[in-house]
Parts: sequence; C-alpha cells; structure tokens
Amino acid sequence: DTEVTQTPKHLVMGMTNKKSLKCEQHMGHRAMYWYKQKAKKPPELMFVYSYEKLSINESVPSRFSPECPNSSLLNLHLHALQPEDSALYLCASSQDGTNYGYTFGSGTRLTVV
Amino acid sequence: ELKVEQNPLFLSMQEGKNYTIYCNYSTTSDRLYWYRQDPGKSLESLFVLLSNGAVKQEGRLMASLDTKARLSTLHITAAVHDLSATYFCAVDPGGATNKLIFGTGTLLAVQP
Repeated sequence: DTEVTQTPKHLVMGMTNKKSLKCEQHMGHRAMYWYKQKAKKPPELMFVYSYEKLSINESVPSRFSPECPNSSLLNLHLHALQPEDSALYLCASSQDGTNYGYTFGSGTRLTVV
Repeated sequence: ELKVEQNPLFLSMQEGKNYTIYCNYSTTSDRLYWYRQDPGKSLESLFVLLSNGAVKQEGRLMASLDTKARLSTLHITAAVHDLSATYFCAVDPGGATNKLIFGTGTLLAVQP
C-alpha cells in the first residue's frame, strides 16, 4: 500500500459544528503532516507529528486540534470554524530521512458556511 | 525564516516550445522536491533532488539542483497540452523535524 487515504473528500459544516478529518497510511512512515491550501496558493504547513508526537505547530488557531492515535492515523478535529477556514486540507506522510519524498493524500475540500 | 520563490508565477506557452521554471530558496538545503497539481486535485510527486548537482528526468520534464546557488530548475522540453497544471517546488530546510515549505507555484498553460 503506497497511499495516503483521507476522508471525507468533501465536507460542509456550519460555524457551530464539530467535525473531524481523517488521514491514514500503511507505509510505515513515521512522520505525518497537515497542510492547508487556499485557492491559487501554495500549501501551508499546519502541524507535524513525528513518531506519534506533535513536533511542529505553526501557530495554528486552537479551533484546529490535531490528534495522532497511532503511527498510521492522523486526525484533525474542527470546532467553531470561520468561513475563511474554507480550503483544501492535505495530509502527507514521509519516511524518516525523507529520501523517498513525501506522499500526499487526495485532500478534504472543506467549506464553512 | 525559509522563503521559497518561483519564477514565473504564470507561464503561457505553445506546444512544442521549451521553457524553464526557476525555484530560489533563502536558506541552505540539499533537499528539494517538485510537485504537480491539477485543478481541484492533490499533489503529484515529480522529482526528489537530494544533493548538489542532482539532475533527474522524466519524459519532457527535467529537474536540477544547485545548492550553492540555492536554485532549482524545472525544464520543459517540447511542451504538450497535457503538461498544463500548477507546478510547485518545495524545500526541506532540515533541522530536528523534516517538513516541506512550498514555493509560490507556477501555473503552466500550454496552448495548442
């Protein structure tokens, strides 16, 4: 299995809702990432988990809460989002050392109404 | 803070022509990646460049890395319409945790 699987592919949520994005990989990668991408912009790093521990939080607002239950799974819990949080959320994973690059999932298209 | 800039931001070219996209970055790194993104889609890995002087080719695309100049190039040979997409370079600045910082992106439109 050489894929990163993200669910759901599309999500519409209200500003008072709580929802979660899920990401799964079975490549044995030890680092997992959340990126946010607005239209016509490059992906921006949000969080990095390394060996199931949060190692980087790029000053992301607390309404985004990451979780790494085990080495294969990465969640992003969403609460009280704003319309400007609407974006494509990409999950990625990499093997330690990154000699083989980073593998990205297909993304979740989030719309906050 | 690492900055990664691409040039040009938008490129319109005719089929059969050659062109080069440039990627400059601001701090030392010997790990650079190129990705392609189609509209509404995720990122497709094109090249992984891990040392000074690295050159890789796949079909009509060739990427190179000059770590001393902090410059990578993506050369397109005899462009075809199917190459139309946004191309991103991304740099891993190293340190305690590996991560990717993306360039500004180049939107390539190949006209028949």
